Amino acid sequence: DAGITQSPRHKVTETGTPVTLRCHQTENHRYMYWYRQDPGHGLRLIHYSYGVKDTDKGEVSDGYSVSRSKTEDFLLTLESATSSQTSVYFCAISARQGDTDTQYFGPGTRLTVL
Amino acid sequence: AQSVTQLDSHVSVSEGTPVLLRCNYSSSYSPSLFWYVQHPNKGLQLLLKYTSAATLVKGINGFEAEFKKSETSFHLTKPSAHMSDAAEYFCVVSDRGGYNKLIFGAGTRLAVHP
Repeated sequence: DAGITQSPRHKVTETGTPVTLRCHQTENHRYMYWYRQDPGHGLRLIHYSYGVKDTDKGEVSDGYSVSRSKTEDFLLTLESATSSQTSVYFCAISARQGDTDTQYFGPGTRLTVL
Repeated sequence: AQSVTQLDSHVSVSEGTPVLLRCNYSSSYSPSLFWYVQHPNKGLQLLLKYTSAATLVKGINGFEAEFKKSETSFHLTKPSAHMSDAAEYFCVVSDRGGYNKLIFGAGTRLAVHP
């Protein structure tokens, strides 16, 4: 499972409240990613990180921010949650295997915004 | 830009019959391609990956996929379906850029009937 944990695993919150999701890895991988999964869309990249304090936007970054103050933790924050952010959120790391980079995923966080 | 199209949103087979999940990709250069599987309420598991070493790729649980450059396809097959294969399957292309960003297909839900 590439040593990835996500917390919380489930969360219900109200519109307008801030929410922070945590991704923790134990294997010192440089690259980390946040995705959201919605029916009919597969997974879509929100933000990614290529090192401590180095982050960039993905395909669906509006309404989200991230922080990475240490290698093992990558935080995703919804500053003011909206119902459209109800989704399942997955964190991933990228591991080099031979000549290929392969991503491995955490167990996911199911977020419901009422 | 890279993109992935999974040609069937749902596939239904009987146990013991062959499985074919179709995927076409678009890429401006030689891509890295992946198939991931997601069982109900679970995270994503890597099934197999293509990295240009061999066009026929074998994965876990008896699955394999063939890379056909002329057809820009990477279809997933299995000779004999098992009930435990019921899941959602994602075809994924990597942009092979420095940050290994992934582009997901919308997914194919496989149902296996007794």
